[in-house]
Amino acid sequence: AQSVTQLDSQVPVFEEAPVELRCNYSSSVSVYLFWYVQYPNQGLQLLLKYLSGSTLVKGINGFEAEFNKSQTSFHLRKPSVHISDTAEYFCAVSRGFSGGYNKLIFGAGTRLAVHP
Amino acid sequence: EAGVTQSPTHLIKTRGQQATLRCSPISGHTSVYWYQQALGLGLQFLLWYDEGEERNRGNFPPRFSGRQFPNYSSELNVNALELEDSALYLCASKRPTEAFFGQGTRLTVV
Repeated sequence: AQSVTQLDSQVPVFEEAPVELRCNYSSSVSVYLFWYVQYPNQGLQLLLKYLSGSTLVKGINGFEAEFNKSQTSFHLRKPSVHISDTAEYFCAVSRGFSGGYNKLIFGAGTRLAVHP
Repeated sequence: EAGVTQSPTHLIKTRGQQATLRCSPISGHTSVYWYQQALGLGLQFLLWYDEGEERNRGNFPPRFSGRQFPNYSSELNVNALELEDSALYLCASKRPTEAFFGQGTRLTVV
Protein backbone atom coordinates (compact mmCIF):
# COMPACT_ATOMS: atom_id res chain seq x y z
CA ALA A 1 0.00 0.00 0.00
CA GLN A 2 1.10 3.53 -0.64
CA SER A 3 1.30 6.34 1.91
CA VAL A 4 2.31 9.98 1.88
CA THR A 5 3.88 12.12 4.58
CA GLN A 6 3.95 15.87 4.36
CA LEU A 7 6.55 16.89 6.86
CA ASP A 8 5.29 20.39 7.61
CA SER A 9 1.71 21.18 8.56
CA GLN A 10 2.31 24.92 8.21
CA VAL A 11 4.94 26.95 6.40
CA PRO A 12 5.06 30.72 6.93
CA VAL A 13 7.13 32.70 4.46
CA PHE A 14 7.57 36.30 3.39
CA GLU A 15 6.54 37.49 -0.04
CA GLU A 16 9.22 37.07 -2.74
CA ALA A 17 11.12 34.54 -0.62
CA PRO A 18 11.74 30.98 -1.87
CA VAL A 19 9.75 28.10 -0.43
CA GLU A 20 10.00 24.33 -0.28
CA LEU A 21 7.14 22.07 0.78
CA ARG A 22 8.31 18.61 1.67
CA CYS A 23 6.69 15.32 0.72
CA ASN A 24 7.86 11.76 1.30
CA TYR A 25 6.09 8.65 0.11
CA SER A 26 6.30 4.95 0.73
CA SER A 27 5.53 2.32 -1.83
CA SER A 28 6.90 -1.03 -2.91
CA VAL A 29 5.83 -0.48 -6.50
CA SER A 30 6.29 2.23 -9.07
CA VAL A 31 4.23 5.30 -8.37
CA TYR A 32 2.85 8.42 -9.90
CA LEU A 33 3.19 11.58 -7.80
CA PHE A 34 1.13 14.74 -7.74
CA TRP A 35 0.87 18.13 -6.05
CA TYR A 36 -2.52 19.79 -5.72
CA VAL A 37 -3.42 23.22 -4.36
CA GLN A 38 -6.63 24.11 -2.54
CA TYR A 39 -7.67 27.73 -2.10
CA PRO A 40 -10.17 28.54 0.67
CA ASN A 41 -13.63 27.08 0.07
CA GLN A 42 -12.62 25.55 -3.23
CA GLY A 43 -11.81 22.16 -4.68
CA LEU A 44 -8.35 20.91 -5.61
CA GLN A 45 -6.37 22.12 -8.59
CA LEU A 46 -3.49 20.13 -10.06
CA LEU A 47 -0.15 21.95 -9.85
CA LEU A 48 2.07 19.29 -11.41
CA LYS A 49 2.57 15.57 -11.77
CA TYR A 50 5.38 13.07 -12.15
CA LEU A 51 4.64 9.99 -14.22
CA SER A 52 8.03 9.05 -15.64
CA GLY A 53 11.06 10.54 -17.37
CA SER A 54 12.76 13.69 -16.16
CA THR A 55 12.84 13.90 -12.39
CA LEU A 56 12.38 17.68 -12.44
CA VAL A 57 8.78 18.54 -13.14
CA LYS A 58 7.53 22.03 -13.86
CA GLY A 59 3.96 23.01 -13.10
CA ILE A 60 1.65 25.97 -13.14
CA ASN A 61 2.14 29.25 -11.27
CA GLY A 62 5.94 28.90 -11.26
CA PHE A 63 6.04 25.77 -9.09
CA GLU A 64 8.34 22.83 -9.71
CA ALA A 65 9.06 19.54 -7.96
CA GLU A 66 11.84 17.00 -8.03
CA PHE A 67 11.30 13.27 -7.84
CA ASN A 68 14.01 11.54 -5.82
CA LYS A 69 13.57 7.78 -5.92
CA SER A 70 16.42 6.96 -3.54
CA GLN A 71 15.03 9.30 -0.89
CA THR A 72 11.39 8.58 -1.82
CA SER A 73 10.70 12.29 -1.90
CA PHE A 74 8.80 14.70 -4.13
CA HIS A 75 9.39 18.17 -2.69
CA LEU A 76 7.63 21.19 -4.14
CA ARG A 77 9.53 24.43 -4.68
CA LYS A 78 8.97 27.97 -5.84
CA PRO A 79 11.81 30.50 -6.11
CA SER A 80 9.69 33.54 -5.23
CA VAL A 81 6.24 33.36 -3.67
CA HIS A 82 3.36 35.80 -3.93
CA ILE A 83 0.59 36.62 -1.49
CA SER A 84 -1.78 34.81 -3.85
CA ASP A 85 0.10 31.53 -3.23
CA THR A 86 -1.41 31.37 0.26
CA ALA A 87 -3.33 28.09 0.21
CA GLU A 88 -3.28 24.46 1.31
CA TYR A 89 -1.00 22.18 -0.69
CA PHE A 90 -1.47 18.43 -0.94
CA CYS A 91 0.98 15.82 -2.11
CA ALA A 92 -0.60 12.65 -3.52
CA VAL A 93 0.59 9.27 -4.72
CA SER A 94 -0.93 6.55 -6.81
CA ARG A 95 0.28 3.20 -7.94
CA GLY A 96 1.28 3.61 -11.55
CA PHE A 97 0.49 1.17 -14.29
CA SER A 98 0.36 1.23 -18.03
CA GLY A 99 -2.54 3.32 -19.18
CA GLY A 100 -3.20 5.22 -16.00
CA TYR A 101 -3.68 4.84 -12.29
CA ASN A 102 -6.38 4.09 -9.81
CA LYS A 103 -7.03 5.97 -6.59
CA LEU A 104 -5.00 8.85 -5.21
CA ILE A 105 -3.67 8.72 -1.66
CA PHE A 106 -3.18 12.16 -0.18
CA GLY A 107 -0.89 13.56 2.47
CA ALA A 108 -2.30 15.59 5.34
CA GLY A 109 -1.58 18.87 3.61
CA THR A 110 0.71 21.85 4.19
CA ARG A 111 -0.73 25.28 4.79
CA LEU A 112 1.44 27.88 3.07
CA ALA A 113 1.00 31.35 4.52
CA VAL A 114 2.70 34.15 2.58
CA HIS A 115 3.17 37.38 4.53
CA PRO A 116 3.87 40.85 3.08
CA GLU B 1 -15.00 22.28 -21.37
CA ALA B 2 -17.24 22.23 -18.31
CA GLY B 3 -15.53 21.05 -15.15
CA VAL B 4 -16.72 18.62 -12.50
CA THR B 5 -19.91 19.94 -10.94
CA GLN B 6 -21.23 19.04 -7.52
CA SER B 7 -24.55 19.80 -5.90
CA PRO B 8 -25.62 21.12 -3.55
CA THR B 9 -22.75 23.38 -2.47
CA HIS B 10 -23.96 23.37 1.12
CA LEU B 11 -26.17 20.91 2.96
CA ILE B 12 -27.34 21.03 6.56
CA LYS B 13 -28.84 17.90 8.07
CA THR B 14 -29.86 16.67 11.47
CA ARG B 15 -28.17 13.72 13.13
CA GLY B 16 -29.83 10.49 12.04
CA GLN B 17 -31.06 11.85 8.71
CA GLN B 18 -29.85 10.84 5.25
CA ALA B 19 -27.83 13.03 2.89
CA THR B 20 -27.55 12.71 -0.88
CA LEU B 21 -24.71 14.41 -2.73
CA ARG B 22 -24.42 14.57 -6.51
CA CYS B 23 -21.55 14.79 -8.94
CA SER B 24 -21.38 15.28 -12.70
CA PRO B 25 -18.02 14.39 -14.23
CA ILE B 26 -16.33 16.07 -17.14
CA SER B 27 -17.79 14.92 -20.42
CA GLY B 28 -16.05 11.76 -21.59
CA HIS B 29 -14.72 10.79 -18.17
CA THR B 30 -16.03 7.44 -16.97
CA SER B 31 -14.34 7.30 -13.55
CA VAL B 32 -15.66 9.16 -10.51
CA TYR B 33 -14.00 9.33 -7.12
CA TRP B 34 -15.40 10.55 -3.83
CA TYR B 35 -13.26 11.94 -1.01
CA GLN B 36 -14.09 13.19 2.46
CA GLN B 37 -12.18 16.19 3.80
CA ALA B 38 -12.96 16.52 7.47
CA LEU B 39 -11.35 19.20 9.60
CA GLY B 40 -7.93 18.05 10.68
CA LEU B 41 -8.16 14.69 8.91
CA GLY B 42 -7.01 15.54 5.40
CA LEU B 43 -8.48 13.93 2.30
CA GLN B 44 -9.77 10.42 2.85
CA PHE B 45 -10.64 8.19 -0.09
CA LEU B 46 -14.28 7.09 0.03
CA LEU B 47 -15.38 5.45 -3.21
CA TRP B 48 -14.35 4.88 -6.80
CA TYR B 49 -16.80 4.19 -9.60
CA ASP B 50 -15.91 3.31 -13.15
CA GLU B 51 -18.23 2.35 -15.98
CA GLY B 52 -21.12 2.08 -13.57
CA GLU B 53 -19.40 -0.29 -11.17
CA GLU B 54 -17.95 0.27 -7.71
CA ARG B 55 -14.24 -0.51 -8.12
CA ASN B 56 -12.92 0.28 -4.67
CA ARG B 57 -13.99 1.76 -1.37
CA GLY B 58 -12.08 3.27 1.49
CA ASN B 59 -12.24 2.48 5.16
CA PHE B 60 -15.73 3.85 5.78
CA PRO B 61 -18.80 2.15 7.28
CA PRO B 62 -21.52 0.74 5.01
CA ARG B 63 -23.81 3.69 5.69
CA PHE B 64 -21.64 5.49 3.14
CA SER B 65 -22.77 4.24 -0.24
CA GLY B 66 -23.26 5.47 -3.74
CA ARG B 67 -23.86 4.65 -7.34
CA GLN B 68 -22.92 5.70 -10.82
CA PHE B 69 -25.54 6.26 -13.47
CA PRO B 70 -25.37 5.35 -17.19
CA ASN B 71 -24.39 8.95 -18.00
CA TYR B 72 -21.46 8.53 -15.53
CA SER B 73 -22.81 11.01 -13.02
CA SER B 74 -22.66 9.79 -9.47
CA GLU B 75 -24.49 10.01 -6.19
CA LEU B 76 -23.10 9.63 -2.68
CA ASN B 77 -25.53 8.67 0.05
CA VAL B 78 -24.79 8.91 3.74
CA ASN B 79 -27.34 7.26 6.00
CA ALA B 80 -27.87 7.67 9.72
CA LEU B 81 -25.82 10.85 9.80
CA GLU B 82 -23.46 11.42 12.70
CA LEU B 83 -21.93 14.68 13.85
CA GLU B 84 -18.49 13.54 12.70
CA ASP B 85 -19.77 13.19 9.13
CA SER B 86 -19.59 16.97 8.90
CA ALA B 87 -17.00 17.62 6.19
CA LEU B 88 -16.31 18.82 2.69
CA TYR B 89 -17.09 16.02 0.23
CA LEU B 90 -15.11 16.24 -2.97
CA CYS B 91 -15.82 14.46 -6.21
CA ALA B 92 -13.25 13.96 -8.94
CA SER B 93 -13.34 12.57 -12.44
CA LYS B 94 -10.28 11.49 -14.32
CA ARG B 95 -8.71 10.69 -17.57
CA PRO B 96 -5.84 8.18 -17.42
CA THR B 97 -3.26 10.29 -15.61
CA GLU B 98 -5.05 13.34 -14.24
CA ALA B 99 -7.91 13.79 -11.80
CA PHE B 100 -10.10 16.90 -11.85
CA PHE B 101 -11.93 17.93 -8.72
CA GLY B 102 -15.22 19.68 -8.18
CA GLN B 103 -15.76 22.51 -5.72
CA GLY B 104 -17.21 20.14 -3.15
CA THR B 105 -20.34 19.86 -1.05
CA ARG B 106 -20.03 21.07 2.51
CA LEU B 107 -22.16 18.83 4.70
CA THR B 108 -22.95 20.05 8.18
CA VAL B 109 -24.64 17.68 10.62
CA VAL B 110 -26.30 19.33 13.61
